[in-house]
Amino acid sequence: EVQLVESGGGLVQPGASLKLSCVASGFTFSDYWMSWVRQTPGKTMEWIGDIKYDGSYTNYAPSLKNRFTISRDNAKSTLYLQMSNVRSEDTATYYCTRTTGSFDYWGQGVMVTVSS
Amino acid sequence: DVVMTQTPVSLSVSLGGQVSISCRSSQSLVHNNGNTYLSWYLQKPGQSPQLLIYKVSNRFSGISDRFSGSGSGTDFTLKISRVEPDDLGVYYCGQGTQYPNTFGAGTKLELK
Repeated sequence: EVQLVESGGGLVQPGASLKLSCVASGFTFSDYWMSWVRQTPGKTMEWIGDIKYDGSYTNYAPSLKNRFTISRDNAKSTLYLQMSNVRSEDTATYYCTRTTGSFDYWGQGVMVTVSS
Repeated sequence: DVVMTQTPVSLSVSLGGQVSISCRSSQSLVHNNGNTYLSWYLQKPGQSPQLLIYKVSNRFSGISDRFSGSGSGTDFTLKISRVEPDDLGVYYCGQGTQYPNTFGAGTKLELK
């Protein structure tokens, strides 16, 4: 059974940094592109970016490219999202997804709240 | 960015009924490789989104044949027949053809 389990969310102050993790199981992690997608409190879905199966290539939403970094550790079957200089508009639920041209499996999501 | 426009915003249906949701993209979703990466997702209350349909018309593993997708180019439709209580929630279309990937705003399916 494919499982994606995110962690690392919580309350963070504006301007701070935060790193989210996603541990994958039930499939060969190193064979798949992976993505992060977030959902705002108003339920808008926003793609953040993705990373190639070997970690050699990443793509980002232009509006987030300068502050967010996606990485992976295939030995640990773990995907990461490094968020820096966070803003109130980054408040959302963050999902880790397996990517195959569509997002075929999603984690349970982790909430990030940016507030002073 | 490719803008995905879903209609209607909400839909009321009786159990056992049939509904259609429309999704239109601002640009063609035909990829250079010939595939069209248009997907449909359902987010049930309190849950993560789940994939229903990929590449326009392919049902994902375990998805009932009551769900069907169709369309081409910029115009796509999801049909749900014989609606069941477990079908209720918010439906999103999404495109994976162009970067950045984008989603529609969602269609909420409720019971009449």
